[in-house]
Amino acid sequence: NAGVTQTPKFRILKIGQSMTLQCTQDMNHNYMYWYRQDPGMGLKLIYYSVGAGITDKGEVPNGYNVSRSTTEDFPLRLELAAPSQTSVYFCASSPASGTANYGYTFGSGTRLTVV
Amino acid sequence: RKEVEQDPGPFNVPEGATVAFNCTYSNSASQSFFWYRQDCRKEPKLLMSVYSSGNEDGRFTAQLNRASQYISLLIRDSKLSDSATYLCVVALGTGGFKTIFGAGTRLFVKA
Repeated sequence: NAGVTQTPKFRILKIGQSMTLQCTQDMNHNYMYWYRQDPGMGLKLIYYSVGAGITDKGEVPNGYNVSRSTTEDFPLRLELAAPSQTSVYFCASSPASGTANYGYTFGSGTRLTVV
Repeated sequence: RKEVEQDPGPFNVPEGATVAFNCTYSNSASQSFFWYRQDCRKEPKLLMSVYSSGNEDGRFTAQLNRASQYISLLIRDSKLSDSATYLCVVALGTGGFKTIFGAGTRLFVKA
């Protein structure tokens, strides 16, 4: 019962470096999301996907990119890392009907520090 | 005004106490409401959905007041293990891209 798996759990990047945060779910959920959580703030949506091949921007997409080639995988790419991207990143998924009555299943998060 | 507002706390209560959290939301078109629990340095986990008629799950009771645009969570007989941050979540409709998370209310239950 893996649910949503995120890797890595921790990462330190230097300014200007790039990296990919991996996210995989085994629940056959159509909807997948990437959020970031900063101290004292609610989760902010970066990107989301409603199915393989379909992605769209959320509230804070600048500096990030995503792809969704399969139902299971939804990687998040950081290009040219900046200190403002220091945060905790959560991947989540939900059934095709979205959050109504089901809510999300979250991965365990990636703690990213950009120095 | 924030779309979803919560008192950040912290609420410090003794074991066995009853504690209540409120959350207000600004968009009257909101359709779905949830409470999530987030332990320190962990991911959020769904605690319960909130229905218009109010609903209960063991020691937890959630209520929705659409007219005043707030939801509440009541925890009875608090346990040490209830210590966590409680997130209020409001969705405008199906599809998580219309879901707004509150910043959370911290609860500490002490022996």
